[in-house]
This record gives sequence, structure tokens and C-alpha cells, in this order.
Amino acid sequence: SAVISQKPSRDICQRGTSLTIQCQVDSQVTMMFWYRQQPGQSLTLIATANQGSEATYESGFVIDKFPISRPNLTFSTLTVSNMSPEDSSIYLCSATDTYGYTFGSGTRLTVV
Amino acid sequence: EDQVTQSPEALRLQEGESSSLNCSYTVSGLRGLFWYRQDPGKGPEFLFTLYSAGEEKEKERLKATLTKKESFLHITAPKPEDSATYLCAVQGNTGKLIFGQGTTLQVKP
Repeated sequence: SAVISQKPSRDICQRGTSLTIQCQVDSQVTMMFWYRQQPGQSLTLIATANQGSEATYESGFVIDKFPISRPNLTFSTLTVSNMSPEDSSIYLCSATDTYGYTFGSGTRLTVV
Repeated sequence: EDQVTQSPEALRLQEGESSSLNCSYTVSGLRGLFWYRQDPGKGPEFLFTLYSAGEEKEKERLKATLTKKESFLHITAPKPEDSATYLCAVQGNTGKLIFGQGTTLQVKP
């Protein structure tokens, strides 16, 4: 199955700043996804990132807050903008391959 | 609305004590039901995909089964290294993966 590298693995950020999370897949994939996992909670889909088109956002998530780039079939970034303590979560990148959905190891974000 | 409910929320077993985790779901047009294992500080690790009622899959001490309303993850003679959170997710006609809250399993030696 595809291997996904995600960085940074963790960061502590000041409120009001932005953080960009990078996701690199070791093979070309059509669809990539970004999830949020709040402490003690399950995974919530933020958006679907397709190469060559704008990301599709789920209810409750907006492009101004979570801009996403997908410049090619192996790479995507998620930016968490104007951060507040409520944005403290684990952010996960995912991609589909023949085995199903594969996940990166996540970015643990703490906003202080 | 597609929905996934997992039970129990937490399960503590002695090593060797077999048990089952439940995943109940409602979905429009099931495309697949997925089981993942998640260790603390890591992303979900793929275990199984089930596509239709009656399907079963096995991997080492784990066996996943599927009916039209629920899936079970059976753990036979668990070991401490099986301790993790087990996540169930469904994909329906929307194409999105909807996750349950997970079951946190602790296996004591």
C-alpha cells in the first residue's frame, strides 16, 4: 500500500499565526484527504483535495481557515490559519490506493 | 445520514481472554466497511475492508465479519501488543469515509 509522509509531526504555535502541514505520498494517487482528530475523538473529514481543482470542504470547514493545495498527484498541503486554542488537534493526511485508505502518522498541533 | 457507532468505548482484557468489538452502521449504499488500528501518537493503520454481508477476513488473532447492520472484530487470545484503539469506518454513496468513535482495547499480561 501507499506510504504517506507527513510533517511536521508536532508543533506548538502561538494563537493568531498559521501552520502549513505537508503530506507526501510515495506513489501517484487520485484523491487525498485531510482529517482532524480532536483529543479523545474520532476522525472528522475536513476536505478532499483533488489535483487540478479546488478542494471540496465538509460542512463546518471553510477555505479561508483551512486552505489546501494539491500541486501534483503525490503532494498536498493543509494550512491552519489564524489559529486559536480550539484548533489544537491531530491533523491527518490520507490517500486512497488499491488497498483502501492509507493514513499518514499525523501532525499534533498545540495552540497556545 | 451515514452513521457509525462502536461499542464498547473501552475494553480491558486479560491476555488470552477472547472478545469482540462491535460496529453498528447506517449508510446509503455500502461501498465498504473498514477496520483500522490506531496506536497513541500515530495515524490509523489499515486492517481490513469488507464489502458485503457475510464476508469475513482474518489476520493473525483478528477476524472481521459483516452483516447488513453491523460488523464485529473478533480478537482471539489477545496479547498485550494488541492494545490499541480500533476504529471502524464506512464508505457509502457519498464516497466519504465516516468513522466511529473507536474502541480502546487494553490487554493486560
